[in-house]
Amino acid sequence: TAGITQAPTSQILAAGRSMTLRCTQDMRHNAMYWYRQDLGLGLRLIHYSNTAGTTGKGEVPDGYSVSRANTDDFPLTLASAVPSQTSVYFCASSDGTGDTDTQYFGPGTRLTVL
Amino acid sequence: KNQVEQSPQSLIILEGKNCTLQCNYTVSPFSNLRWYKQDTGRGPVSLTIMTFSENTKSNGRYTATLDADTKQSSLHITASQLSDSASYICVVPFTGGGNKLTFGTGTQLKVEL
Repeated sequence: TAGITQAPTSQILAAGRSMTLRCTQDMRHNAMYWYRQDLGLGLRLIHYSNTAGTTGKGEVPDGYSVSRANTDDFPLTLASAVPSQTSVYFCASSDGTGDTDTQYFGPGTRLTVL
Repeated sequence: KNQVEQSPQSLIILEGKNCTLQCNYTVSPFSNLRWYKQDTGRGPVSLTIMTFSENTKSNGRYTATLDADTKQSSLHITASQLSDSASYICVVPFTGGGNKLTFGTGTQLKVEL
């Protein structure tokens, strides 16, 4: 079972360049999420989508944008990358948005901005 | 201020031994608490979800406890195995946030022979 796939696995990006991190889930989950994980910090929510066609801002949304054109895909775009966006990015999904819905995570994308 | 604090930051134990990891949270109101396991280079995987009315929950060799009055949780690992080496992360939903989560920084566990 694929679950959640993310691409690329890793990337080195020059500052000022744009990039889209891809995320696809095959579980037909309604909700999807993007997190970043930095050393010494817990995962932080960037953006989320409770259902296809809707998106919302998380804890650290600045410099990132998302879209949710369909149920399966939730791309994260960095319009003009900066070194502080160097991080490991995780996509996640959950069947619903209830208090106890389990979130399932992808394998992550390691991004380095130079 | 981090609303989810975990201790210890790291821990090394011998294979076969037990260990207990701690989590203190300040998120209020409280609906549930989760423990995730994250292997190096992988995404987190859910171990347990406990609602405020549950005070213990097991998943194989993992047992989570919750004291909603003191806002503390623990994760006990029994008869540790090398494959238990990972980061264990305590997670609580944002205040009023439904499925939007606040993550602790994790306890890095290493199990050695």
